[in-house]
Amino acid sequence: DQQVKQNSPSLSVQEGRISILNCDYTNSMFDYFLWYKKYPAEGPTFLISISSIKDKNEDGRFTVFLNKSAKHLSLHIVPSQPGDSAVYFCAAKGNFGNEKLTFGTGTRLTIIP
Amino acid sequence: SAVISQKPSRDICQRGTSLTIQCQVDSQVTMMFWYRQQPGQSLTLIATANQGSEATYESGFVIDKFPISRPNLTFSTLTVSNLSPEDSSIYLCSARPPGLAGNEQFFGPGTRLTVL
Repeated sequence: DQQVKQNSPSLSVQEGRISILNCDYTNSMFDYFLWYKKYPAEGPTFLISISSIKDKNEDGRFTVFLNKSAKHLSLHIVPSQPGDSAVYFCAAKGNFGNEKLTFGTGTRLTIIP
Repeated sequence: SAVISQKPSRDICQRGTSLTIQCQVDSQVTMMFWYRQQPGQSLTLIATANQGSEATYESGFVIDKFPISRPNLTFSTLTVSNLSPEDSSIYLCSARPPGLAGNEQFFGPGTRLTVL
């Protein structure tokens, strides 16, 4: 049962344009969401997060939007740069009394120079 | 943030043997976490390692197969026992540094295990 889904396994975007990565979840008990970026042979690197009490969080070129009614979040990267080429994972944490993160399957983003 | 290191970075093991992975954090943390990423899959939590108590395992993971040690607040080991080719994965440890307002975890670089 995949509770966090990233339905696009890959995405290609021209350099300088906006990259939009999407994530859907099924468990309404999730109350905190995170995005990680992963390069080959490295561990995931934390990018940005959002609490369920907000609908938007921005940090530089990265903005995360949360639509609780649709159980959907998205990561916007603008402008996209070649160094953004990586696999992006969304993750969710619930109010379950533990720190468990549930990850999506990832989206491979390729920025075309 | 936290700097997390893992050893070994990769290994190739024979079926039936065991591999112990070490994880070191540069600050004292209450909880450390062990994840597995099978080829083409997402990261799956194996267990949460608390200092001074038994690890808490997720559904589908058992202590006999994945024994964990947590001798102090900066170090943990994960052993993958009785290896089979299905254990070929990347194993990652993570930690949540104290004093963070959010729930982010920071990850080590991972250990790539190949079982022949």
